[in-house]
Amino acid sequence: DQQVKQNSPSLSVQEGRISILNCDYTNSMFDYFLWYKKYPAEGPTFLISISSIKDKNEDGRFTVFLNKSAKHLSLHIVPSQPGDSAVYFCAASGFYGGATNKLIFGTGTLLAVQP
Amino acid sequence: EPEVTQTPSHQVTQMGQEVILRCVPISNHLYFYWYRQILGQKVEFLVSFYNNEISEKSEIFDDQFSVERPDGSNFTLKIRSTKLEDSAMYFCASMEGIMNTEAFFGQGTRLTVV
Repeated sequence: DQQVKQNSPSLSVQEGRISILNCDYTNSMFDYFLWYKKYPAEGPTFLISISSIKDKNEDGRFTVFLNKSAKHLSLHIVPSQPGDSAVYFCAASGFYGGATNKLIFGTGTLLAVQP
Repeated sequence: EPEVTQTPSHQVTQMGQEVILRCVPISNHLYFYWYRQILGQKVEFLVSFYNNEISEKSEIFDDQFSVERPDGSNFTLKIRSTKLEDSAMYFCASMEGIMNTEAFFGQGTRLTVV
């Protein structure tokens, strides 16, 4: 039951260019979406989030866009830096039916930023 | 900056043995979670804990698993009789509130069952 999907397992971009990571979801009850960054042998680190009442949230070089009608969100990193190289997980949550805001994760996209 | 800490970082155990994974969540957080990531797979929800009781658990969280918060600071995950397929990274997470807040994750415990 893949409620959150990241269809690109990997992405390679040049330093200074834009990185665009995509995520699709199927559960219309999700109302909060998050992006996490993960290095090997470390825990996920929160990056940026967006509530379903918004369509864009920006924090420095990171912008998340949400298209609710398409059940799609994307993370833009501009400009990309070599230190951004990591696995990026999209996650979704929703406080519905007694659920406890657990996160449903996508499978991740490995971003490699080439110097 | 407050952080979630987990111990040990790596645990090797024999099949059938009991293991306890420990976590210290961020002090003012109220909601606690365990997730796991089998190598090469996605991060999966195991259990959530609030007000000293389990509030939700996944189908993975069977009778072999238990959680408790014995002293108001530590949050533990116990696996009573480990199986080879329990080998994974186990992540503890905590959240301050329940609505539109992010979960903070620990560094994880790599559990290897041999």
